[in-house]
Amino acid sequence: SAVISQKPSRDICQRGTSLTIQCQVDSQVTMMFWYRQQPGQSLTLIATANQGSEATYESGFVIDKFPISRPNLTFSTLTVSNMSPEDSSIYLCSAYTGYREFFGPGTRLTVL
Amino acid sequence: GIQVEQSPPDLILQEGANSTLRCNFSDSVNNLQWFHQNPWGQLINLFYIPSGTKQNGRLSATTVATERYSLLYISSSQTTDSGVYFCAGGTNFGNEKLTFGTGTRLTIIP
Repeated sequence: SAVISQKPSRDICQRGTSLTIQCQVDSQVTMMFWYRQQPGQSLTLIATANQGSEATYESGFVIDKFPISRPNLTFSTLTVSNMSPEDSSIYLCSAYTGYREFFGPGTRLTVL
Repeated sequence: GIQVEQSPPDLILQEGANSTLRCNFSDSVNNLQWFHQNPWGQLINLFYIPSGTKQNGRLSATTVATERYSLLYISSSQTTDSGVYFCAGGTNFGNEKLTFGTGTRLTIIP
């Protein structure tokens, strides 16, 4: 299994500002992902964080709004840019070890 | 992409009861995983089970790949089993993005 940590665990931000979320894995992994989860809803994939190349975004998510970095095989960041109250959500990172996907504890974001 | 349906959406049980959660897929999957999201939001990987049956303590899972469904069994429920159970599928054998179902919210009453 993989142990994944995220920082910050929660934050309250003003609209129009940006927040960068960090994700650290305790071992080198090939695939890392970023998800969003609205309260009471399932997980929605934002993008695949590719090491050494640009992230692959899902439909409805764009790089200008959610820039992602993946500088090495254990670390990734997601920035939520120019935030609005609609961005209030839980943001989760994940990584594969073997055939299984493991998740960080999430970042609870509230935008006022 | 594949569609994932889970049933029932909600389940309330007394402690000690058994339960069966179901996951249906719109197309064949080679990667099927079950997760438990506890009341604090942490997602725990329960099983990687693209076919066959696996057991881990009081939990077991069965996937019938040819009929595109999977079942999660929870026996002798405990209050710590409460939370949301998600199944997720993909078309490769791992190391790929998954499509998550809508989840089953399980509440175990002491």
